[in-house]
Formats: sequence, C-alpha cells, structure tokens
Amino acid sequence: GQQLNQSPQSMFIQEGEDVSMNCTSSSIFNTWLWYKQDPGEGPVLLIALYKAGELTSNGRLTAQFGITRKDSFLNISASIPSDVGIYFCAGQSAGAQKLVFGQGTRLTINP
Amino acid sequence: AAGVIQSPRHLIKEKRETATLKCYPIPRHDTVYWYQQGPGQDPQFLISFYEKMQSDKGSIPDRFSAQQFSDYHSELNMSSLELGDSALYFCASSLRAGRLGRVTQYFGPGTRLLVL
Repeated sequence: GQQLNQSPQSMFIQEGEDVSMNCTSSSIFNTWLWYKQDPGEGPVLLIALYKAGELTSNGRLTAQFGITRKDSFLNISASIPSDVGIYFCAGQSAGAQKLVFGQGTRLTINP
Repeated sequence: AAGVIQSPRHLIKEKRETATLKCYPIPRHDTVYWYQQGPGQDPQFLISFYEKMQSDKGSIPDRFSAQQFSDYHSELNMSSLELGDSALYFCASSLRAGRLGRVTQYFGPGTRLLVL
C-alpha cells in the first residue's frame, strides 16, 4: 500500500530556532496536507497544498509541494513553546477519499 | 467557526460489547471520514461517506460498520469489541468538491475508546 516516510521522527530544539521536516513517498499525490496534533486531540490543519511546486505560508510556517509530487516539506521559523506537538504530513491521491499519513515528527522545544 | 463534533469524547467498554461513535460534520460539509489512531501511531483510514453512500473503504474490520444520515451526520458501530480496538477514533469532514475541486479534510477532537 501507499506509504509516506516522514523525517525526522523527533526533534529537540531551542526556542527561537528554525525547524524543517519532510515527507517522501513512492507514489504520486495530488494533495499534500500538514497537520499538528496535541496529545489526546484531533489533528489541526496547518497548510494545504494542491499543485506541484506550490509554496504556501501560514504565519511562521512554510510548506512546499514537491515538483515530482512525491514529497513535501514544512518549515517553522523562530519556534515558540506553543509549537510543541506532533506534526503529520498527509497525502491524497487522485480519485481517493482517504488520506495517507506520515509517521509524524515530535517537536520538543527547550525554553 | 464551527468544527467537527464527536461524541462521546471518552468511552470505556468491556470485551465483546458494542459501541457507537457519532460524528457531526462542519455545517454544509457533505463528506465524512473515519480514522483510527493507535497509541504512538499515525491515523489510519477506515471508511468514508458522501451523500449517505460509502465512497471509500480502508482497513475497517468486518466487526465495524458505519453509515451517514440525511443530515450528514455519521455513526460508527463497533461490535464484539477486542482489546486491540482501544484507540482514538477521529471523524473528519469536507466538501466533496470544494473550490477549484480541492478537498480539505478537517478533523474532530476524537473519541478515546478503551476496551477492558
């Protein structure tokens, strides 16, 4: 089945540092989504990408849809304590309803 | 803005019992999706519905069934519960074909099911 490889699995950074994480797939996706999940809560949509090469920002967050349609990255600039959580990439292929998720990146910030 | 509503938020059941999870999508959203998330795992797609018809199916056990009603809310019915069914269950909703054909899924807060 489809699989997304998300890296890194965890990150330990200092407040104010920039963060970068990415997802790669062996399959082509038409949509890439990035979600943040706090413990015991539902994933919250951060950024949605719909076109190959698309670069989209949401405040301190920037994400790009890879030109090959098989990868995406998320950058967080100037991290703050509330950025702590688990970040998931998710891909959706043409004609499919389901989202396929990456394994998640757990972000920990030292004040 | 209104979000996806799920009930109950927490549920404790014994093995072999049944459970019903409910999902109320964002107003005007016509498609609902169910996902299961085990401890430390990523969400896994179970099933989705559009206009009361099943639109996609994932790794949903035969012991589980779901349906969407005319008001677009959905219920996930789980029978003969097993210990391994303990997980977070998320519902997401979307417009079938949003602006420019883009579909974006918004997730609810989840139901935490514990099977003892």
